[in-house]
Amino acid sequence: EAQVTQNPRYLITVTGKKLTVTCSQNMNHEYMSWYRQDPGLGLRQIYYSMNVEVTDKGDVPEGYKVSRKEKRNFPLILESPSPNQTSLYFCASSRRGGRFGDEQYFGPGTRLTVT
Amino acid sequence: KQEVTQIPAALSVPEGENLVLNCSFTDSAIYNLQWFRQDPGKGLTSLLLIQSSQREQTSGRLNASLDKSSGRSTLYIAASQPGDSATYLCAVEGSGTYKYIFGTGTRLKVLA
Repeated sequence: EAQVTQNPRYLITVTGKKLTVTCSQNMNHEYMSWYRQDPGLGLRQIYYSMNVEVTDKGDVPEGYKVSRKEKRNFPLILESPSPNQTSLYFCASSRRGGRFGDEQYFGPGTRLTVT
Repeated sequence: KQEVTQIPAALSVPEGENLVLNCSFTDSAIYNLQWFRQDPGKGLTSLLLIQSSQREQTSGRLNASLDKSSGRSTLYIAASQPGDSATYLCAVEGSGTYKYIFGTGTRLKVLA
């Protein structure tokens, strides 16, 4: 089944404790992206990747890191989480981005709480 | 900076009604516009993608149009059903930026 998977689905952590949220897709998609969703602010893009080893900042990259060493995986790293990073996080992928961009497929979401 | 607005924020209609959801964007330099639905506590499901060179796309009871020059898109839902109740989001991919900007959504409730 074609899908985007995220782990963990729920995470409660403390300020400053490094964490990684994994994202994997099995559709051989080139474009992958991370978003956070907050009440009243909607979905905002954190980072995106046009292809392996190519990543760039979205609108809200502060406090986050990403890497794209393999086509299928795009982990989101919070080196020193803070309470303002409490949010619902989504990973998404599409066959391509840009001029010939395709529809995005979303993962189920990761609900992160930082205390 | 691209801004995407969806009006109304919430909408309640009786079953069977045809309805239109609106999405407007400030910068017409886009690659594409995509409509999604999101059910409570769930991820997003893609409904329709319109490339910048296209005027509309159709899937079943859904029809989305794009007027890039005026910065507007509409999602038309025919013969609405209670199962259509969800939040509908639009997003644009900026030309040359490869970034996606989302609207804050329209929460639709279809009453049986």
